[in-house]
Amino acid sequence: DAGVTQSPTHLIKTRGQQVTLRCSPKSGHDTVSWYQQALGQGPQFIFQYYEEEERQRGNFPDRFSGHQFPNYSSELNVNALLLGDSALYLCASSSEFRYEQYFGPGTRLTVT
Amino acid sequence: SQKIEQNSEALNIQEGKTATLTCNYTNYSPAYLQWYRQDPGRGPVFLLLIRENEKEKRKERLKVTFDTTLKQSLFHITASQPADSATYLCALLYGSGNTGKLIFGQGTTLQVKP
Repeated sequence: DAGVTQSPTHLIKTRGQQVTLRCSPKSGHDTVSWYQQALGQGPQFIFQYYEEEERQRGNFPDRFSGHQFPNYSSELNVNALLLGDSALYLCASSSEFRYEQYFGPGTRLTVT
Repeated sequence: SQKIEQNSEALNIQEGKTATLTCNYTNYSPAYLQWYRQDPGRGPVFLLLIRENEKEKRKERLKVTFDTTLKQSLFHITASQPADSATYLCALLYGSGNTGKLIFGQGTTLQVKP
C-alpha cells in the first residue's frame, strides 16, 4: 500500500514565476491538506480539500490556490512567487472518521 | 489567535533515560491533541492522539498527558534510544472529525546519546 506521494521532490523557481505541486493521497483517504514548513518551524496549514471543494483555509494569500481531482489527488498552485515562499511543502491525507493525518515526503521549493 | 509553544532548545539525554517534551497552548482547548515525529528532510509521522476528556494515553514506550486546566500536554519517551533522535511536533486539532485543521508547534529536537 503506497503512502502519500508528492512530486516533484525538489524545485527551483525564479521570483514572479508560478509553480504547481502534486500530491496523491494514501489509498482509502478522501481528504487532502497542504502545509508550508519553513526551516526550523512547524508546518503551517494552507488549505484542505474534500470532495473536490476547498473546505478550510489558513492565513495564506490568494496567490495560493489548489484543486482536488475525482481520484482524490490534489495540486497546490502558487502564483507570483516571492523569495519568502521558499519552504518545504507538505501534503497530508486523512479519511472521514479518523483524525490523524498521513504526510508525504514533501516538495522542497527554492525561489531565487 | 491560537499560540502553541514547545521547547525551542534541543533536548539532549542519555540512552535509557526518559525524555519529557512539553507543549503549551493559549486560548481555547482543542478537541484533540496529537504528537508527530519528524526526521530531517521527511514529512511528519503520526504517533499519538489524545482527546480533551482523556488525561493520559500510552503506546509502547510513549506516553502523552493532556491537562486542559493548565493548557499543557507532556510527551514522554521511556527507555530512550539513539533511534528516537528526531524533532517532535505537537499539533492541536480544532473542528469536528477530520474537517478540522491542525495547528502545529515549532517542534522540539531530541538528541539521545549512546
